[in-house]
Amino acid sequence: EAGVAQSPRYKIIEKRQSVAFWCNPISGHATLYWYQQILGQGPKLLIQFQNNGVVDDSQLPKDRFSAERLKGVDSTLKIQPAKLEDSAVYLCASRPDRSSYNEQFFGPGTRLTVL
Amino acid sequence: RKEVEQDPGPFNVPEGATVAFNCTYSNSASQSFFWYRQDCRKEPKLLMSVYSSGNEDGRFTAQLNRASQYISLLIRDSKLSDSATYLCVVNMQTGGTSYGKLTFGQGTILTVHP
Repeated sequence: EAGVAQSPRYKIIEKRQSVAFWCNPISGHATLYWYQQILGQGPKLLIQFQNNGVVDDSQLPKDRFSAERLKGVDSTLKIQPAKLEDSAVYLCASRPDRSSYNEQFFGPGTRLTVL
Repeated sequence: RKEVEQDPGPFNVPEGATVAFNCTYSNSASQSFFWYRQDCRKEPKLLMSVYSSGNEDGRFTAQLNRASQYISLLIRDSKLSDSATYLCVVNMQTGGTSYGKLTFGQGTILTVHP
């Protein structure tokens, strides 16, 4: 079974530029998550989708971050404009359904460096 | 207070040692609990779920104390390959819906040396 795919794996941009990340979850997984992991910290949830609907975006900085999952499959996360403090690894994860007891499967992440 | 707090670490132990990690969580309504393992520059992967009755998987034992809102992970007979960051993870209900939200601790770094 293919895992969660993410691209690009690495991205270096200057502050105030825009960047987009892509995620393709495991086939059939209804729930998709985007996390931000700053060096030395645990992942922090940015947004959670159930199919193509948002169920939690309380920690998403909506003035600069946006995310969509239009067809309920793959998803994009965008930052516009980027700040230095956005330097982090952006992890996408998926889960078969909304059950809180199921494992989340993570993609390899996109490592963003903002200069 | 952080929602999920872990031992600050890092832990540096010799092969064969027993090491224990502790974690506390603030939301008493939390439903499910996990330990994830994250290797350097890799994604987190589920190590084990944590049940109220305690559970064991080979050299790993997890315990949950709901009254104290405390979770632990014990690793016996440490191997070099156990070197990683161990993340305590709590699933909390959000906004009265049934959609759980995973909240991660900051992680504890374990280094097992020869």
